[in-house]
Amino acid sequence: KAGVTQTPRYLIKTRGQQVTLSCSPISGHRSVSWYQQTPGQGLQFLFEYFSETQRNKGNFPGRFSGRQFSNSRSEMNVSTLELGDSALYLCASSLGGRQPQHFGDGTRLSIL
Amino acid sequence: AQRVTQPEKLLSVFKGAPVELKCNYSYSGSPELFWYVQYSRQRLQLLLRHISRESIKGFTADLNKGETSFHLKKPFAQEEDSAMYYCALSGNTGNQFYFGTGTSLTVIP
Repeated sequence: KAGVTQTPRYLIKTRGQQVTLSCSPISGHRSVSWYQQTPGQGLQFLFEYFSETQRNKGNFPGRFSGRQFSNSRSEMNVSTLELGDSALYLCASSLGGRQPQHFGDGTRLSIL
Repeated sequence: AQRVTQPEKLLSVFKGAPVELKCNYSYSGSPELFWYVQYSRQRLQLLLRHISRESIKGFTADLNKGETSFHLKKPFAQEEDSAMYYCALSGNTGNQFYFGTGTSLTVIP
């Protein structure tokens, strides 16, 4: 079974731009979660989607948004990028409920 | 409020020595606890979950509800255990995982 796939692996943007990150979950997984990982903060939860519905959202500004498609693939969008948005963005999928999450390699976003 | 606390950011032990990575949590319901590990240049992966009560790569973790702890232990550390370890909690609804800030374990040869 293919693992969680995130694209692109690396992104360089400038302040004020917007960016879209993509995540393809493991086949059969309907839950997709997004995290921001930084050295000082660890993994910060962004949001979780299940069957195209956002069920939970972390404490991030509205510039961070996401969506999930009918095939469970998910995208995350960040608008009006700030220097502080530089981080590794991780996607994780699971069967839902309290099943373990399976992570992708992440997208490393650098803001200049 | 922080749900998962890993008090040690860095931990170094000698090869063959016992190792314990601490994890404390706060949650009002019945959480499910996990340990995830990230080896150098690899993706974050599940190490073990408390409900399985199994030993993975020699590691075990016991859920202590009285002390709200889920410490990860291994009696004899190996060099290949050097990695970043994250404790995680899944709440009642299962739609959000809370992660600790991680502990970087270095096993000294």
